[in-house]
Amino acid sequence: ILNVEQSPQSLHVQEGDSTNFTCSFPSSNFYALHWYRWETAKSPEALFVMTLNGDEKKKGRISATLNTKEGYSYLYIKGSQPEDSATYLCASPGSNTGKLIFGQGTTLQVKP
Amino acid sequence: EAGVTQFPSHSVIEKGQTVTLRCDPISGHDNLYWYRRVMGKEIKFLLHFVKESKQDESGMPNNRFLAERTGGTYSTLKVQPAELEDSGVYFCASSQVSVSDNEQFFGPGTRLTVL
Repeated sequence: ILNVEQSPQSLHVQEGDSTNFTCSFPSSNFYALHWYRWETAKSPEALFVMTLNGDEKKKGRISATLNTKEGYSYLYIKGSQPEDSATYLCASPGSNTGKLIFGQGTTLQVKP
Repeated sequence: EAGVTQFPSHSVIEKGQTVTLRCDPISGHDNLYWYRRVMGKEIKFLLHFVKESKQDESGMPNNRFLAERTGGTYSTLKVQPAELEDSGVYFCASSQVSVSDNEQFFGPGTRLTVL
């Protein structure tokens, strides 16, 4: 059974701090790794879909790296802003059909 | 282009009642997924439609849950009769193709509370 783990569960930082969190997944039978940003009562918003070992993707102040051999991905936020406060979810498909297996998420709170 | 929409946004019902959730995917997306997040836990897969056919319903909790997608457009998820443990946020997502590296677009979810 595919198990996706995220850490930490929650994080409180000051505005301007840079932060990062981890998503771990089984390295065998890897298909892809999805990162989403979710604010309560809104639609989870796709940040990145990553497939290649060693890949790094960037969107503004947010970037992500992928290590498929050791089974982890890091999400980095540079210079956190209050509007970055949200729950960050990672998910990996259990097969090539698109069914996503989610981690529990990391809830980020950025204080002004 | 409109995103994935879900109705209602909130539903509060009593144990034993019936509730029907609706999802309208992005136009042209053949793949439609239902997921559920119970409070404090991870989002879990319920089922996957390709057009009007159920491709994978391995995540459906039990036979109190019935999903349909007649005509391959919108989908409904009916819970009958609802139990307390059915409370949670029900998400719908859609995608153009059903491969692992294809982005899924999520709706805002329906928050279901069973009293």
